[in-house]
Amino acid sequence: SQTIHQWPATLVQPVGSPLSLECTVEGTSNPNLYWYRQAAGRGLQLLFYSVGIGQISSEVPQNLSASRPQDRQFILSSKKLLLSDSGFYLCARGQGGYEQYFGPGTRLTVT
Amino acid sequence: RKEVEQDPGPFNVPEGATVAFNCTYSNSASQSFFWYRQDCRKEPKLLMSVYSSGNEDGRFTAQLNRASQYISLLIRDSKLSDSATYLCVVILPPTGGFKTIFGAGTRLFVKA
Repeated sequence: SQTIHQWPATLVQPVGSPLSLECTVEGTSNPNLYWYRQAAGRGLQLLFYSVGIGQISSEVPQNLSASRPQDRQFILSSKKLLLSDSGFYLCARGQGGYEQYFGPGTRLTVT
Repeated sequence: RKEVEQDPGPFNVPEGATVAFNCTYSNSASQSFFWYRQDCRKEPKLLMSVYSSGNEDGRFTAQLNRASQYISLLIRDSKLSDSATYLCVVILPPTGGFKTIFGAGTRLFVKA
């Protein structure tokens, strides 16, 4: 079966601190991978997507970055967190124009 | 105009009721459509795909109207466990990569 792992599940970080969220996928090869953010009470905002190793497309300019060092690993990073970075971060996998499947998410609170 | 629009609700219905959600999209070139369900503080989960011919899965029916650019979700005989936020999803054709657009969601509360 295809599984998506995300960690940590919850995170509290001070403003200005760095961030690294990891997403790994099992049971599939060469998936499209996505990072979304969902602010409290809001819809999903696509942040980055990747169609392969080292290939990252950014949807929204911000202080976040993403990397895909391995086929099944997708990392979301920031050098300095802002209060507005708080939210529910979701990693998803998909294939082309088809449905996406989400990991359990990381709930980030920036204080 | 937003690319995907949904009535935010909330919809409050009694058990056993039939409830319908609509979602409109702005890009006529949109090619794939889905409904997701999201429980409080959880990740969205795929509920069903939406086809022009309609798609039925038990108590759930999804329809696509390309001419009017909307999709719908009908839930019959509502259960308490149907309480959740329902997200409409549209996929645009690739211009350097497929673009997935999520609606903001419609909240449903089913009451005993």
